[in-house]
Amino acid sequence: NAGVTQTPKFQVLKTGQSMTLQCAQDMNHEYMSWYRQDPGMGLRLIHYSVGAGITDQGEVPNGYNVSRSTTEDFPLRLLSAAPSQTSVYFCASSFSLGGGGSTEAFFGQGTRLTVV
Amino acid sequence: GENVEQHPSTLSVQEGDSAVIKCTYSDSASNYFPWYKQELGKRPQLIIDIRSNVGEKKDQRIAVTLNKTAKHFSLHITETQPEDSAVYFCAAGARTNAGKSTFGDGTTLTVKP
Repeated sequence: NAGVTQTPKFQVLKTGQSMTLQCAQDMNHEYMSWYRQDPGMGLRLIHYSVGAGITDQGEVPNGYNVSRSTTEDFPLRLLSAAPSQTSVYFCASSFSLGGGGSTEAFFGQGTRLTVV
Repeated sequence: GENVEQHPSTLSVQEGDSAVIKCTYSDSASNYFPWYKQELGKRPQLIIDIRSNVGEKKDQRIAVTLNKTAKHFSLHITETQPEDSAVYFCAAGARTNAGKSTFGDGTTLTVKP
């Protein structure tokens, strides 16, 4: 089991460029999320999904798009990168237990993005 | 939305001492309170969590307490060891989706040998 896999691990972009951060999980988890982590701060929720075809905005969604066409994959798209998007990005997944509960969130290893 | 405040931002203790980190939350609907440990350059990993129907939970040297009336919860680490040095994050959310939590800003714990 690979768990939650993020690619790439490091990326440098120029302002205005676009790119997609990949996230895949092999645990058949329904729930997936994207967070960003800035120095001295906690993780802030960007977007999340409760299942294939269903996404919703988190706390800081501006500048980011997501889609969920399969249970396994949840890519995060930056359409026009800005220096303010320099951050470490974490993808997470969790499993619905039914009866209104879920497992803990399992995090990927992170993608360190620098926008110059 | 939910707002989580975490204190202190840094904490330094001697090996063998106890460490306590406190968090407050604002949304009375939150019913899931995980704690994550993040070592330098690594991913956050769950160390303990508590759900709102429980006031305290313990796992070896780690314990978490929850006061729903006051909307605060705390992490207690006893007999600290140098390998406990890391950044600790509290979070609050709904137990229906642990991946949609609001995080505190983190506490950098340093355990001096």
